[in-house]
Amino acid sequence: NAGVTQTPKFRVLKTGQSMTLLCAQDMNHEYMYWYRQDPGMGLRLIHYSVGEGTTAKGEVPDGYNVSRLKKQNFLLGLESAAPSQTSVYFCASARDRGYNEQFFGPGTRLTVL
Amino acid sequence: GNSVTQMEGPVTLSEEAFLTINCTYTATGYPSLFWYVQYPGEGLQLLLKATKADDKGSNKGFEATYRKETTSFHLEKGSVQVSDSAVYFCALSVQGSNYKLTFGKGTLLTVNP
Repeated sequence: NAGVTQTPKFRVLKTGQSMTLLCAQDMNHEYMYWYRQDPGMGLRLIHYSVGEGTTAKGEVPDGYNVSRLKKQNFLLGLESAAPSQTSVYFCASARDRGYNEQFFGPGTRLTVL
Repeated sequence: GNSVTQMEGPVTLSEEAFLTINCTYTATGYPSLFWYVQYPGEGLQLLLKATKADDKGSNKGFEATYRKETTSFHLEKGSVQVSDSAVYFCALSVQGSNYKLTFGKGTLLTVNP
């Protein structure tokens, strides 16, 4: 039982490049989330999903897109990376049974030059 | 809206000292309250939680009591260890919000031997 995994762990992009971050969970959770963590800002919600085939905007969605084609996977895309998107990205998942604990992945450190 | 305000860090203590990290919140609706911990280079882990007023969450010697009258959820530990060095996040989730978490900015704790 791996929990929540994220790929890749590190990535360096040039401004304007695109990439996709992959989050996978093996706990059969309905809910999945993408956060970014910046110094002094805590974690801010980018997008989330309440089930396969659904997505919704969070607090800071601009510049990102997401997809949830399979229940266990939640992809975060950057179409045209900007230096302001340099951050650590965390994925999390939660089950929908009244237990609202989120389980977090280990993070992806992204640098945009 | 929902917000969490927690004590600014960093906090530096000697081993066996008493720890308090203050956390207050505002919420539209009835929140559940959480403390998450992030060890260096890792993702967030749930430390403890409380889902209704006057509940006390506890884990690994840490405690926090849900105080509705003061809208607070302060984290305490009677005797910290070097291994407690980490960033601590207070967070809330409101019923009906798809389990979305609102985080405080985090407090870095360093415990010296």
